[in-house]
Amino acid sequence: QSVLTQPPSVSGAPGQRVTISCTGSSSNIGAGYDVHWYQQLPGTAPKLLIYHNTNRPSGVPDRFSGSQSGTSASLAITGLQAEDEADYYCQSYGRLSGYVFGTGTKVTVL
Amino acid sequence: QVQLQESGPGLGKSSETLSLTCTVSGGSISDHYWTWIRQPPGKGLEWIGYIHYSGSTNYNPSLKSRVTMSADTSKNQFSLRLNSVTASDTAVYYCARQAPNSNWFDPWGQGTLVTVSS
Repeated sequence: QSVLTQPPSVSGAPGQRVTISCTGSSSNIGAGYDVHWYQQLPGTAPKLLIYHNTNRPSGVPDRFSGSQSGTSASLAITGLQAEDEADYYCQSYGRLSGYVFGTGTKVTVL
Repeated sequence: QVQLQESGPGLGKSSETLSLTCTVSGGSISDHYWTWIRQPPGKGLEWIGYIHYSGSTNYNPSLKSRVTMSADTSKNQFSLRLNSVTASDTAVYYCARQAPNSNWFDPWGQGTLVTVSS
């Protein structure tokens, strides 16, 4: 049912940089609606990580960054740490579908 | 610091109505929009809908025919009713806050698992 597509999994060694893509369409991201990102640690509720495409809430480390272009967005984690192992979801808005989430990406720290 | 807590039966039967309540502490529900989101076991997130304290609502088109949301400012709570449930409605249900003029969700409640059995 998700209309935003993410890779199922990405992995990296500690200290490396990983990126997660979020691909939408002209009905959501491409229509100018912002993208937000959430981190879901195992067994916990999602937590806001990035809002308005690029902004970090207070307390979120600056190794997390977001970008958006056209119908897609990306989340980058630089200096990957063991505690970053989690599921990550993008979220936007669609004119016909309302609020929509990405399919989710599991980040594994090798 | 605003905190949200979901409550309600953890088990329901097919064809019946699922009812959940979200209690807000540390802030007033009169200030924001309030949202329900669900996550089937092992799967992704699905937006169910939101309510404003004034009573205005917006529901996911795929669930609209079965969803009703309400808000009780005197108790600082808002509620979800989902009728005619089936096993596919089994999920962890989260409530979350949405600030005015924004379209992101923060913070979230811890979630409550609802299992629908036949």
